[in-house]
Amino acid sequence: QVQLKETGPDLVQLTQTLSITCTVSGFSLTTYNVHWVRQPPGKGLEWMGAMWNGGGTDYNSAFKSRLSISRDTSKSQVFLKMNSLQTDDTAKYFCARNYYSTSFDYWGQGVMVTVSS
Amino acid sequence: DVVLTQSPATLSVTPGERISLSCRASESVDTYLHWYQQKPNESPRLLIKYASQSISGIPSRFSGSGSGTDFTLSINGVELEDLSIYYCQQGNSLPYTFGAGTKLELK
Repeated sequence: QVQLKETGPDLVQLTQTLSITCTVSGFSLTTYNVHWVRQPPGKGLEWMGAMWNGGGTDYNSAFKSRLSISRDTSKSQVFLKMNSLQTDDTAKYFCARNYYSTSFDYWGQGVMVTVSS
Repeated sequence: DVVLTQSPATLSVTPGERISLSCRASESVDTYLHWYQQKPNESPRLLIKYASQSISGIPSRFSGSGSGTDFTLSINGVELEDLSIYYCQQGNSLPYTFGAGTKLELK
């Protein structure tokens, strides 16, 4: 069945780099797109960026040049890297997929990341 | 970026009643408007896509309507399990954006 699972650190130091892996199963990264969405504690959802099925990427300009998304199709993994972390980057980070639709039909359970000074 | 404004922020409901949640876009998103339900400590769940298209496995009491800038999610006969936060999301243009959510609570 379709699954997405995020793995990453619980705690990251201020100004350091966050790395999260989304491992998928039940579908191919060359067919489906994978997106990153984050949610600060008690707040709403924010789209961060996408890894398109063809290998291209798009990013929310709110993250300027801090964000990078890549993938390894042989391992069915999509990677998020974000540098220069600040306390307001504390959030649950989700990966989610879509296909032709611009809606997200499956989501991972998310990984909660706290940025600590 | 397209701003989505959801109202009300909180809605107190009685089981069995019919309710409507609003999502208004700062510019036209055609029908590229999707609705999600999120319960505490869970991931969002897709309820309605493209404003009014139903999703397999979602109860028929959930329905959506609208186009352009004004959209509505309706629940016909609220159940206790529906007490959650509801988000709209536009997929018409990048960056995709979400509304701030409407929280359903028990009256």
